[in-house]
Amino acid sequence: SQTIHQWPATLVQPVGSPLSLECTVEGTSNPNLYWYRQAAGRGLQLLFYSVGIGQISSEVPQNLSASRPQDRQFILSSKKLLLSDSGFYLCAWSGVGYEQYFGPGTRLTVT
Amino acid sequence: GQQLNQSPQSMFIQEGEDVSMNCTSSSIFNTWLWYKQDPGEGPVLLIALYKAGELTSNGRLTAQFGITRKDSFLNISASIPSDVGIYFCAGQLGGADGLTFGKGTHLIIQP
Repeated sequence: SQTIHQWPATLVQPVGSPLSLECTVEGTSNPNLYWYRQAAGRGLQLLFYSVGIGQISSEVPQNLSASRPQDRQFILSSKKLLLSDSGFYLCAWSGVGYEQYFGPGTRLTVT
Repeated sequence: GQQLNQSPQSMFIQEGEDVSMNCTSSSIFNTWLWYKQDPGEGPVLLIALYKAGELTSNGRLTAQFGITRKDSFLNISASIPSDVGIYFCAGQLGGADGLTFGKGTHLIIQP
């Protein structure tokens, strides 16, 4: 069966510091991968998606970037964090059925 | 961009009652999905709908894809304490596209 992992689970970072969040999927090949951000008490907003290695589409202009160095690995990065980058970051994958399945999330607090 | 209006924002019900929530959109979607999210966790897929007019059940949950492609509803029958959480609708245009989420319905069950 397929499994999706995210780490770290929680992160507290100062303003201006770099960021790297990782997402990996097991049990499937060539998944579509997604990064979403959820503000407190809100719905999810799509940040990036990828249909293959090295292919990244960005949905909103922002302080973040994404990379897909391997088939089942998706990384979310920032060179300098802003206070507004705080939130709950969720990675998701989909396969041939296009239903999206979410990971456990990373809670990021920028101080 | 597209927006989903999800209502009600919150519901306070007694255990055993039926629940109904809905989502409307200003534009069409080709897929509607319903998720449940518990605090601090990633959303879990409940039901996926692919055809206008489709009615699909998953245990005590029933969801329908509106014939105009601009709306969907979710019903929960005979609510139990573990139904507590936030329910999100999501629309997708197709394929590997990201999801557009509603702001969620917070379900609270009073004993």
